[in-house]
Amino acid sequence: EVQLVESGGGLVQPGRSLRLSCAASGFTFDDYAMHWVRQVPGKGLEWVSGISWDSTYIDYADSVKGRFTISRDNAKSSLYLEMNSLRPEDTALYYCAKLHSATMIPDAFDMWGQGRMVTVSS
Amino acid sequence: QSVLTQPPSVSGAPGQRVTISCTGSSSNVGAGYDVHWYQLLPGTAPKLLIYANTNRPSGVPDRFSGSKSGTSASLAITGLQAEDEADFYCQSYDSSLSAWVFGGGTKLTVL
Repeated sequence: EVQLVESGGGLVQPGRSLRLSCAASGFTFDDYAMHWVRQVPGKGLEWVSGISWDSTYIDYADSVKGRFTISRDNAKSSLYLEMNSLRPEDTALYYCAKLHSATMIPDAFDMWGQGRMVTVSS
Repeated sequence: QSVLTQPPSVSGAPGQRVTISCTGSSSNVGAGYDVHWYQLLPGTAPKLLIYANTNRPSGVPDRFSGSKSGTSASLAITGLQAEDEADFYCQSYDSSLSAWVFGGGTKLTVL
């Protein structure tokens, strides 16, 4: 079965760190770029970060640049998001999403995970 | 404030046709970047509905169709069914922001 399964997340205090993981199965993971997209409860979708198939090209939304780090391990078919200096406004449901392409060209996200909630609160 | 503008809500009776608009600008939709559409149902993974403006992935019913013109795009749903009730988002790329961008989402209610 083709799927993306996120793990990690939870409740964390402002200023602390958290790591999200995304396990891929059912497709050739290293053929595609991968991204993180988040949704604040009751709000819309926001792109967070993306990484090309070979990790040579990485990009971040301005709202997380310098605090979040995306990475991947193709041998483990896994995607990661290291989140540091977390703020209350980072509270959201974080989705792992597969891009329709291998490189970071503007394209569609053709597969998504079910999401993992991250709550930043004291 | 989302980069792409969608109506907050639309509604229609079963069997009717509804459209959802997505308005961008010269740095995204108007610059020629493709528009894609997603369906979000509570508790489930988002689903790609339309890619590259007009194309349906396999398994998506032909009741769903997309179009694009200038700085705007639209999603049309014909033959409305109760199970179509969901949130719909458009997405493109913005060259000024160097970012993948989304609309604010539209809630479809089937009356």
